[in-house]
Amino acid sequence: QSVLTQPPSVSAAPGQRVTISCSGSSSNIDNKYVCWYQQLPGTAPKLLIYENNKRPSGIPDRFSGSKSGTSATLGITGLQTGDEADYYCGTWDSSLSAVVFGGGTTLTVL
Amino acid sequence: QLQLQESGPGLVKPSETLSLTCTVSGGSISGSSYYWGWIRQPPGKGLEWIGSIHYSGSTHHNPSLKSRVTISVDTSKNQISLKLNSVTAADTAVYYCGAYLFAFDVWGQGTMVTVSS
Repeated sequence: QSVLTQPPSVSAAPGQRVTISCSGSSSNIDNKYVCWYQQLPGTAPKLLIYENNKRPSGIPDRFSGSKSGTSATLGITGLQTGDEADYYCGTWDSSLSAVVFGGGTTLTVL
Repeated sequence: QLQLQESGPGLVKPSETLSLTCTVSGGSISGSSYYWGWIRQPPGKGLEWIGSIHYSGSTHHNPSLKSRVTISVDTSKNQISLKLNSVTAADTAVYYCGAYLFAFDVWGQGTMVTVSS
């Protein structure tokens, strides 16, 4: 059971927009920065979003992040088949004194 | 450009100690603001943070693994290491090392470790 809760899967058609939610608590998301990672099949995770809504260099602006209270959301617009991957949210939990991840969401581009 | 490379045995026997090394290139561990961490991913499952260390020696560990984990840094070799003792089949996973500032900015490619007799 992960500290952060994500839907197991989401799907959408190419060119459409999809959002992935990440639900936490007052000891993590509510007071800490949230990040998002993309893990393509058979590869290591890659940082997509940090500090709730910032994109590292090279990440297209089709990817966006937001946070409100104890929840965070990853948005992806203009879906491409190459976006099919597992997506993980992550943050610091002050009660556990630990980095925590969501259980991951598998994105299928139909 | 910072690059990380994990190395170590791919097979460990139950009850023994898993030992991995992460070699950092393209930057120095010493004087860096990064925390250097270990994350694992059991087959078909999600990510689990193991722990992180700063070159100064400051460490943080996953409470669920803390009693079995040792993370250390060798600045002379620009490496960090992980030791996980008393392993069981549940420790079978891909083990990643990562560089953490406000998130894990850089990841190694990962190394698969299987616990089996």
